[in-house]
Amino acid sequence: GAGVSQSPSNKVTEKGKDVELRCDPISGHTALYWYRQSLGQGLEFLIYFQGNSAPDKSGLPSDRFSAERTGGSVSTLTIQRTQQEDSAVYLCASSFGWDGAYEQYFGPGTRLTVT
Amino acid sequence: EDKVVQSPLSLVVHEGDTVTLNCSYEVTNFRSLLWYKQEKKAPTFLFMLTSSGIEKKSGRLSSILDKKELFSILNITATQTGDSAVYLCAVEKIQGAQKLVFGQGTRLTINP
Repeated sequence: GAGVSQSPSNKVTEKGKDVELRCDPISGHTALYWYRQSLGQGLEFLIYFQGNSAPDKSGLPSDRFSAERTGGSVSTLTIQRTQQEDSAVYLCASSFGWDGAYEQYFGPGTRLTVT
Repeated sequence: EDKVVQSPLSLVVHEGDTVTLNCSYEVTNFRSLLWYKQEKKAPTFLFMLTSSGIEKKSGRLSSILDKKELFSILNITATQTGDSAVYLCAVEKIQGAQKLVFGQGTRLTINP
């Protein structure tokens, strides 16, 4: 079946511009996660959506970052007034739920380059 | 502050060698420890460990967790060039977010 998809796969933007990154989770998965991987770093948790609950935004690095999940499915991560330190691969993952053993399925990521 | 530390950060071996990758953690409200293999961009799931001392195996890969000493190891025997990747260790916390705290990864290179 179809996995997690993300778009665009690559994005180059000028410093100060806003960008939107999209994630389509696996159908039926209620949990959706955004991570960021900067060069040479491990994955960094950004935000988590579970069903209709309020999202956990505790990993967002600044108020320039926000995310939405419409209709419990597609999610958009928005970065306003991008900075060079925002350059990273942004990974989205989804899972069936949070109760019991679960596995997060990752998308291919969006490579963001801020010039 | 939650911390997951992997070692070594980088490892280069010859095909056929056996490697051991290490992951230590200091995390409150531990639920499970997971290993991922990352080639290119998206990590793929390898193992989930919740109980101490129980080895999980998948082909040439195996992993074990020590919840007393707060570490896990990932073993790969008879390595192949296709094993070259970044191996990520992550700890899942018991909390509403069920989020993962990742280590920085070990870059494994298998030379023919």
